[in-house]
Amino acid sequence: DTAVSQTPKYLVTQMGNDKSIKCEQNLGHDTMYWYKQDSKKFLKIMFSYNNKELIINETVPNRFSPKSPDKAHLNLHINSLELGDSAVYFCASSHSTGQGNEQFFGPGTRLTVL
Amino acid sequence: AQSVTQLDSHVSVSEGTPVLLRCNYSSSYSPSLFWYVQHPNKGLQLLLKYTSAATLVKGINGFEAEFKKSETSFHLTKPSAHMSDAAEYFCVVRSVSGTYKYIFGTGTRLKVLA
Repeated sequence: DTAVSQTPKYLVTQMGNDKSIKCEQNLGHDTMYWYKQDSKKFLKIMFSYNNKELIINETVPNRFSPKSPDKAHLNLHINSLELGDSAVYFCASSHSTGQGNEQFFGPGTRLTVL
Repeated sequence: AQSVTQLDSHVSVSEGTPVLLRCNYSSSYSPSLFWYVQHPNKGLQLLLKYTSAATLVKGINGFEAEFKKSETSFHLTKPSAHMSDAAEYFCVVRSVSGTYKYIFGTGTRLKVLA
């Protein structure tokens, strides 16, 4: 059983388009995250939701809008895509409380903007 | 505020020789520390984690790490490198207050030479 899943795995689109990435976890975690990984492999936190409430909102263009319909799902919608949005986007989940709670990562979505 | 520094962006070792990937952290509290591995075009997988139970932590695939509070270090080691260890490695510290953010290092690319 896949713990954290993302769809689609690959996304190729033109500049100016709007696209969405979906994430689901079946681990019973209460916190979910979106990360962006650039070509140099730097991982940058974008957003985090705890029990459907936004708790981390880093400096991200407002073209990016996360949405958490329930604790098991966290989607990312991107408006007016730009070339610089090309990257791999990872979803992750974890328990919020307790020491040593690791994150579980999805397989990533490779977004290419042409 | 928490932070983490991976001291080497690239490490090359010969197959069968020891691996040492260095990580220093900064934390006002007793931290939770993690090492993740990312193989090419894959998601992140947990190698091991420190949660204050024991200073020497054993992980998967023969890796281990030692928490040294006096040196604020959490270096990752393996006695004998295998070709399949070639990957990107991330050291992570988790804040234990506020938003429980996971702070990622910039990564170390391990190359294993035949």
